[in-house]
Amino acid sequence: SAVISQKPSRDICQRGTSLTIQCQVDSQVTMMFWYRQQPGQSLTLIATANQGSEATYESGFVIDKFPISRPNLTFSTLTVSNMSPEDSSIYLCSVVVWAGENEQFFGPGTRLTVL
Amino acid sequence: KQEVTQIPAALSVPEGENLVLNCSFTDSAIYNLQWFRQDPGKGLTSLLLIQSSQREQTSGRLNASLDKSSGRSTLYIAASQPGDSATYLCAVVNYGGSQGNLIFGKGTKLSVKP
Repeated sequence: SAVISQKPSRDICQRGTSLTIQCQVDSQVTMMFWYRQQPGQSLTLIATANQGSEATYESGFVIDKFPISRPNLTFSTLTVSNMSPEDSSIYLCSVVVWAGENEQFFGPGTRLTVL
Repeated sequence: KQEVTQIPAALSVPEGENLVLNCSFTDSAIYNLQWFRQDPGKGLTSLLLIQSSQREQTSGRLNASLDKSSGRSTLYIAASQPGDSATYLCAVVNYGGSQGNLIFGKGTKLSVKP
């Protein structure tokens, strides 16, 4: 498994601003991902954070809105840009430690409220 | 398009009871299936991972089965305890899809009464 931390754990932001969420893993991992959990909904994959290159986004998510960085094998950031109340969600990062097994482990999440 | 359904949406049982949570998926071409628990306001804890070639996995009081051909998985919890109260989520990765793309059900909210 892996120990994953996220900062901040929660935040309340104003419409039109941006928030950067950090994800730190205690060991090098092969893959890192960002998910969103909207109120009352299940989780949806936003993108795969690729080390040293641009993230791979799922349908419905774009880089201008959710820029992602992954400078090394243990760290990634997700920015939620130009926020609106519809962006109020829990944002979670997840990792796969060993690609052969493909078991995913999740961070504690960042609860974002946009006013 | 893969869809994952979990029944029931909520379940309340007395302590000590054995229980079964159900998960179904519409496309049987999956790479694996994973069960998680989510405590209120917290992230997800991985419980069990079943590869597509496997029929079941066990961890302590938990047993998960997979019937790929019928698109079903069950999570069996033996001798339930109040500490088992949480939302249980199942998720699949489609065969040939993005490895990270876990497709989740909406979960079963379990309450175990002392």
